[in-house]
Amino acid sequence: AQSVAQPEDQVNVAEGNPLTVKCTYSVSGNPYLFWYVQYPNRGLQFLLKYITGDNLVKGSYGFEAEFNKSQTSFHLKKPSALVSDSALYFCAVRFTSGSARQLTFGSGTQLTVLP
Amino acid sequence: EAQVTQNPRYLITVTGKKLTVTCSQNMNHEYMSWYRQDPGLGLRQIYYSMNVEVTDKGDVPEGYKVSRKEKRNFPLILESPSPNQTSLYFCASSPRSGATYEQYFGPGTRLTVT
Repeated sequence: AQSVAQPEDQVNVAEGNPLTVKCTYSVSGNPYLFWYVQYPNRGLQFLLKYITGDNLVKGSYGFEAEFNKSQTSFHLKKPSALVSDSALYFCAVRFTSGSARQLTFGSGTQLTVLP
Repeated sequence: EAQVTQNPRYLITVTGKKLTVTCSQNMNHEYMSWYRQDPGLGLRQIYYSMNVEVTDKGDVPEGYKVSRKEKRNFPLILESPSPNQTSLYFCASSPRSGATYEQYFGPGTRLTVT
């Protein structure tokens, strides 16, 4: 079965510092990986995805993520955090094999950027 | 504006009283899905639909029904709601059912069952 883990419930970072939100997945095929962000009282918004190709993926709002197949990870990064980046971040995975048509989400990581 | 809409946004009801949460998208998307969000559990898929008249169970389908009679609409039906269905519900859509497509989410419906 496919699964995805976000090991940190909460990440705090100072404004201007780099940020990392971690995500690992359990694989039984080739994964398609996604990051979504949820602002308070809003639905989820798509940030970026890894399908194939370059392991470093660039997305919206200056975010990027690195796919690491050997470590089965897809960590979200940003070189310089903004207070407005404070939100709930979800990693999600879909697999290409079998009947895995579902999108499986991690439990979410609350990012707080401190001014 | 391309969007997914849900109604109502907030609903308080009592155990056993049937309710429907509507979901509509104006992007001509084939794939639609319902999720529930609970603290510490992330989003869990309830049902999904790959096209009109094609629906299938997700991870947590018990106590829910769906239908897809039109491409744009995908209502979620709770025939006899129970307190454990108190949650935040999201509808989502994507252009196709393929695994490479990102999903577009509605604003959410907060349901409380007393």
